[in-house]
Amino acid sequence: RKEVEQDPGPFNVPEGATVAFNCTYSNSASQSFFWYRQDCRKEPKLLMSVYSSGNEDGRFTAQLNRASQYISLLIRDSKLSDSATYLCVVARGGSYIPTFGRGTSLIVHP
Amino acid sequence: EPEVTQTPSHQVTQMGQEVILRCVPISNHLYFYWYRQILGQKVEFLVSFYNNEISEKSEIFDDQFSVERPDGSNFTLKIRSTKLEDSAMYFCASTKGVSSPLHFGNGTRLTVT
Repeated sequence: RKEVEQDPGPFNVPEGATVAFNCTYSNSASQSFFWYRQDCRKEPKLLMSVYSSGNEDGRFTAQLNRASQYISLLIRDSKLSDSATYLCVVARGGSYIPTFGRGTSLIVHP
Repeated sequence: EPEVTQTPSHQVTQMGQEVILRCVPISNHLYFYWYRQILGQKVEFLVSFYNNEISEKSEIFDDQFSVERPDGSNFTLKIRSTKLEDSAMYFCASTKGVSSPLHFGNGTRLTVT
């Protein structure tokens, strides 16, 4: 099983739609979780950290399910500018090596 | 907002040549990383650096690769003898501590011909 797995998509949604991505991780000792956004040929940019109790930032909501070892990202009221690849990042404690999933591609169309 | 800077943005080199990719991490950060991303593939960990030494490296980071922090600000990745398969985007990242998110530079696109 891969360390961090994501459905590559693409998810093709109209503006205004709500879309959700999941990411599963294999190491139960993982302690830090993040969602990053990556535009074509650009660097990953932090979208949000994911906390145990779940957290929200505007239209974005992140959830963590430790028992099932997955994290999720919900985007409400999608904008054209949300079109990007969303990267799930997981890190264990100890030697801190954030590990990236392959990313989920989102295309928001008019 | 402070940011990680990388130079050059694009480097073209011939197979067998040495390249040095440069990074200036955020000044109060303590942990430094190099990642690479081959076109169309995922972001892969190469090496992490803390307290002036390598803390972890991946199997990709073989003897052809080395990292240095020659002064208080720069963090470099050297590839001694480049191969065609080294062509990729190389990202430098830094963070202030464990559990904190990584901040990435804009990347260096390395093309080996």
